[in-house]
Amino acid sequence: SQKIEQNSEALNIQEGKTATLTCNYTNYSPAYLQWYRQDPGRGPVFLLLIRENEKEKRKERLKVTFDTTLKQSLFHITASQPADSATYLCAPSAGNTPLVFGKGTRLSVIA
Amino acid sequence: DAGVIQSPRHEVTEMGQEVTLRCKPISGHDYLFWYRQTMMRGLELLIYFNNNVPIDDSGMPEDRFSAKMPNASFSTLKIQPSEPRDSAVYFCATAKTGGREDTEAFFGQGTRLTVV
Repeated sequence: SQKIEQNSEALNIQEGKTATLTCNYTNYSPAYLQWYRQDPGRGPVFLLLIRENEKEKRKERLKVTFDTTLKQSLFHITASQPADSATYLCAPSAGNTPLVFGKGTRLSVIA
Repeated sequence: DAGVIQSPRHEVTEMGQEVTLRCKPISGHDYLFWYRQTMMRGLELLIYFNNNVPIDDSGMPEDRFSAKMPNASFSTLKIQPSEPRDSAVYFCATAKTGGREDTEAFFGQGTRLTVV
């Protein structure tokens, strides 16, 4: 069955450093992959989408990579700030199907 | 647009009672999804609709759960009878398309359900 794994439940990082979150998937071939941010008590909010033919995508301090051979996406936040503290969810999709999410990684950026 | 609106934000009910969660989607979005989120299982898809028609309800845990979308502006998720293991945060999300690459899902604030 399809499986989505995000590298760890929680990640603590010092302010100013680069945070790297991992999303691994098995048993399917997504055409694209989305990343969402979720703050406590709120619904997930879309951040970035990367397609299978794109190796990398950037948006301000965010960078996402997508390796279909490794079946993995990496999500980087450079120059991290305490305001980046949140849970980050990945959602690989084969297209024309509803989004299925990983359990998320809770990021804490320590000042 | 005010975004996806869910009500109530919090619901505490006794085991065995009927619970109805409500969702008002973003106007013009053809797809509506109901998710449930728990610490143990993460964000699980329960059911989704396209143009008010249920497409896939395979994620609905059991017959106690039902969902309707009588029109493009309103959807409900009902649990009858409720059980303590139904305690979770329930999210409604909508999208313009159903998972093609140009789709992002817009989530409501969620309903935190506690069944005691």
